[in-house]
Amino acid sequence: DAKTTQPPSMDCAEGRAANLPCNHSTISGNEYVYWYRQIHSQGPQYIIHGLKNNETNEMASLIITEDRKSSTLILPHATLRDTAVYYCIVKETSGSRLTFGEGTQLTVNP
Amino acid sequence: NAGVMQNPRHLVRRRGQEARLRCSPMKGHSHVYWYRQLPEEGLKFMVYLQKENIIDESGMPKERFSAEFPKEGPSILRIQQVVRGDSAAYFCASSRQLAGNTDTQYFGPGTRLTVL
Repeated sequence: DAKTTQPPSMDCAEGRAANLPCNHSTISGNEYVYWYRQIHSQGPQYIIHGLKNNETNEMASLIITEDRKSSTLILPHATLRDTAVYYCIVKETSGSRLTFGEGTQLTVNP
Repeated sequence: NAGVMQNPRHLVRRRGQEARLRCSPMKGHSHVYWYRQLPEEGLKFMVYLQKENIIDESGMPKERFSAEFPKEGPSILRIQQVVRGDSAAYFCASSRQLAGNTDTQYFGPGTRLTVL
């Protein structure tokens, strides 16, 4: 699976949009971009995934660049409960494992 | 629709004892994955199972660890003769693999194993 690079930490004001970047320059054509988050020491929570088109669900939006070498997860109106470690993961269609990196510690401030 | 269930949530064992961790996948899911998170470290893949089959156990330690997913009942991760270094959070995930599509894994709340 391709390696991803994320900033170790970010801050965001409550109510503002949180934009979390991820670089995956070695991504191949059959690999999806997945985002998960882990709040404190709870189980990882699935957020969203995409292949090449932008995606949106009730939690977030995923913007993938045209060359697919990077993506941005957008939380449109961050709340204090969005404080968590966010993981960007690249995964093959038929692959089994999720390879977690260091992730980004997002802190939402009041 | 109940999510992935794991029990026990907390497990304390003394060195040399056995630990059994259980995982019930989401309804309709037939694929189970186990991950381990050591203190202050990231999650690491251990094993991937389908009903009655181990598909990928490349992340599992060769000794003392085993996993199964029987035809009936939950998946079990078994750790024999536990040592202090086994203290960690063990997470189970499940998926419903669709032909020609990617499978999204959904995680349980984890079992926190403490070895005294």
